[in-house]
Amino acid sequence: DGGITQSPKYLFRKEGQNVTLSCEQNLNHDAMYWYRQDPGQGLRLIYYSQIVNDFQKGDIAEGYSVSREKKESFPLTVTSAQKNPTAFYLCASNLAGGPYNEQFFGPGTRLTVL
Amino acid sequence: AQSVTQLDSQVPVFEEAPVELRCNYSSSVSVYLFWYVQYPNQGLQLLLKYLSGSTLVESINGFEAEFNKSQTSFHLRKPSVHISDTAEYFCAVSPRSGNTGKLIFGQGTTLQVKP
Repeated sequence: DGGITQSPKYLFRKEGQNVTLSCEQNLNHDAMYWYRQDPGQGLRLIYYSQIVNDFQKGDIAEGYSVSREKKESFPLTVTSAQKNPTAFYLCASNLAGGPYNEQFFGPGTRLTVL
Repeated sequence: AQSVTQLDSQVPVFEEAPVELRCNYSSSVSVYLFWYVQYPNQGLQLLLKYLSGSTLVESINGFEAEFNKSQTSFHLRKPSVHISDTAEYFCAVSPRSGNTGKLIFGQGTTLQVKP
């Protein structure tokens, strides 16, 4: 089945530690996205990538880093510089240049900083 | 730039009653419009979308939305809700021109269906 997988589903981190969230897709999509979701704030874009080896900052990139070495994978690292990392993180993908921009979402990773 | 406003953060409704979730947007260019649904602790699923043509679009589970260009709105409606419709609903837009593939989301509306 084609889709987007995110792992782990739940992640706990101590303050001061970096942590990496995984996102993999087998939809052959060019573009991938990372969102952060907090109650009452909707989805806020962290980073996005429209092609391998290239990515752009979204609205709230500070304290996060990404890489896009393979078309299928777009891991997100939450660094110790992120002041309030506890949130639900969603990965999405779509066809770059597609006229409709419908995005497909993974099941999410809930990160809790202890 | 685009922005999306969902006017209600929470909408409580009794089972089998009708419901409307409101969405207004602001954009200097024409847009595509989307509604996504999110069940607890899950990702988002596309519910329906307006691309062109008829301004009334329908989903397979009884929801419909109408694009109103003059009022820049894309309200979501269902004539009779079920307990299983309890979820968070997000309205989103994407510009038709100068397209980067990004979506701009509203803050979300939590639909709470009570028995």
